[in-house]
Parts: sequence; structure tokens; C-alpha cells
Amino acid sequence: DTGVSQDPRHKITKRGQNVTFRCDPISEHNRLYWYRQTLGQGPEFLTYFQNEAQLEKSRLLSDRFSAERPKGSFSTLEIQRTEQGDSAMYLCASSIANEVSGNTIYFGEGSWLTVV
Amino acid sequence: ELKVEQNPLFLSMQEGKNYTIYCNYSTTSDRLYWYRQDPGKSLESLFVLLSNGAVKQEGRLMASLDTKARLSTLHITAAVHDLSATYFCAVRSNFGNEKLTFGTGTRLTIIP
Repeated sequence: DTGVSQDPRHKITKRGQNVTFRCDPISEHNRLYWYRQTLGQGPEFLTYFQNEAQLEKSRLLSDRFSAERPKGSFSTLEIQRTEQGDSAMYLCASSIANEVSGNTIYFGEGSWLTVV
Repeated sequence: ELKVEQNPLFLSMQEGKNYTIYCNYSTTSDRLYWYRQDPGKSLESLFVLLSNGAVKQEGRLMASLDTKARLSTLHITAAVHDLSATYFCAVRSNFGNEKLTFGTGTRLTIIP
């Protein structure tokens, strides 16, 4: 499978615990994105990497959220001291900078987080 | 701040009929995307529209872009049940960032 891979697919955690999600982008894609989606809403942008550099970060990404892409390949999104409002699907996406193709952005299957 | 509005939010239509979903956005943009999402699943890329007047077609779906009107449409021809899903448009503003702003989605139900 050469698509965007996310792990775990589902996570149930108690409020106050830390969680980490991993994303493996499509091979050779230099751009990686994290979005969050709650039920009945469209995805909301969280952050964006080009290679290992984190170039954009949403105001939605509070101090409890941190994302890394240490070698420009896979990425992790960590949420510290989880709150019930963090319950959502966390989507990872990747693309390759290619103005000819229009920079199609491919999404992974998502990681569902439930905070109880 | 870029705002993206879709309408209708809900659409129930009979098989064989044609319909159009509209996507309006508030600031200039150089790129517009259409995605499909099935319940509990991720987003499937349908179209990327780059320039004014761009039109793309895939099967029973056709998307177009009017950058002057800040409007994109997704037209469904002779709908079939398999097209039931939620459809999102997403817009990238042309101010040098990579953030996509998504619309609220249109939940489409095709009735036999």
C-alpha cells in the first residue's frame, strides 16, 4: 500500500493523559499536513511541514499540541494533558510540490481520538 | 480570513437526476479542491482546479472554477446510489501558504 498511513487508527484515552499519533506519508512526498475533523464539520488545518521544517501552525494548535517530522519522512503529533474537546479524527495528508500536477493532497485514513 | 461556504448542506436526490453543489469563497485563491468522504472514512481527492475557467470531469462528476466570482461548482449527472457521500470543497488562498480552508460539506443522498 503506497498511500498515507496513520497509526493508531483508534485511540481511547482518559482525560489528562498524553497521546501520540504517527503518520507515514507517501514515499517522496516532501509536504506533510495535519488536520483535525469533528463530526459534521470539515477538516481544520493544524500544521504543515515541508521536509523537516514546520512552516505553518494554526492558532488551533495550543501549547498542548506538538508536531515533529525529524528526518523529513514520518511525522508525529502529540497531545499532552488531553481534554474532552480534543476528541476528533486527526487526519494526516501529504503531497509533492509540483505546480504542473496542481499539488494534489492525499489524505490518510485518520486517527480517531476519544477522550473520556 | 478566508471563508468557504457550500450549499446546499444536505441534498437528497433521486437516481437519474442532475444537480449542482456550489462552493463560494471570500478571498482570492489560486487553487481549489474537491473531496469526497464516506461515513467514517478519510477524504478522497476528486479534482484540483487551478485557473479561471478550469473544468474537469470524471465519470458523472464535473467541477468548474470561476475565480472572478470566487465560485466553484460540482455538477452531478444522472446520479447513481454509489455517489452518496459528503462532498467538500477546499480552498488555498494565494498568499503563499499551504493551508487549506474547507467548506462545511454537502451531504448527498441518492434515493433509488
